[in-house]
Amino acid sequence: GAGVSQTPSNKVTEKGKYVELRCDPISGHTALYWYRQSLGQGPEFLIYFQGTGAADDSGLPNDRFFAVRPEGSVSTLKIQRTERGDSAVYLCASSSQGTGTGLSTQYFGPGTRLLVL
Amino acid sequence: DAKTTQPTSMDCAEGRAANLPCNHSTISGNEYVYWYRQIHSQGPQYIIHGLKNNETNEMASLIITEDRKSSTLILPHATLRDTAVYYCIVRVSNTGKLIFGQGTTLQVKP
Repeated sequence: GAGVSQTPSNKVTEKGKYVELRCDPISGHTALYWYRQSLGQGPEFLIYFQGTGAADDSGLPNDRFFAVRPEGSVSTLKIQRTERGDSAVYLCASSSQGTGTGLSTQYFGPGTRLLVL
Repeated sequence: DAKTTQPTSMDCAEGRAANLPCNHSTISGNEYVYWYRQIHSQGPQYIIHGLKNNETNEMASLIITEDRKSSTLILPHATLRDTAVYYCIVRVSNTGKLIFGQGTTLQVKP
């Protein structure tokens, strides 16, 4: 079956611009996660959705970062006033359930490579 | 979440077993051990997870010590395609996020 997909695969923007990154989770998965991976580092958690609501947004670095999941499926990560330090690979993952009744494996997409010039 | 410690890099000969160690001495009773790997320019790929019993699937085996303070991921017959960064993660059962460390870069050589 189809896995997690992310668009665009690559995005080049200029400092100060606004960008949107999209994630399509595996069909039926209620939990969705965003991570950011800088060069040479492991992925870093940003935000976790259970359904439409953000269950944990403790990883968002500042208020320039925002994510939505209005219908509980597709999610968009939005970055305002981009800075060169925002350059990274942005990864999305989904799982069939989040927490509570038990752990559920997270399946990752290929990522969006963001370069801020 | 408990911290994990892994060697920075390892080499393995093609066809041999690759044994990747992980220390998680501060692990708590409700924390699971997860392994993911990341091949260059791809998203992390789930391998296996366990709580206290040893686990095996089509990709690998996971051996967890009795005191749960360390574990070993075993790839029984490594191939060149297993060259990747391998992450050992300790995950609390009531939290969604995965906390990745630096991982172990496994280089499988012909």
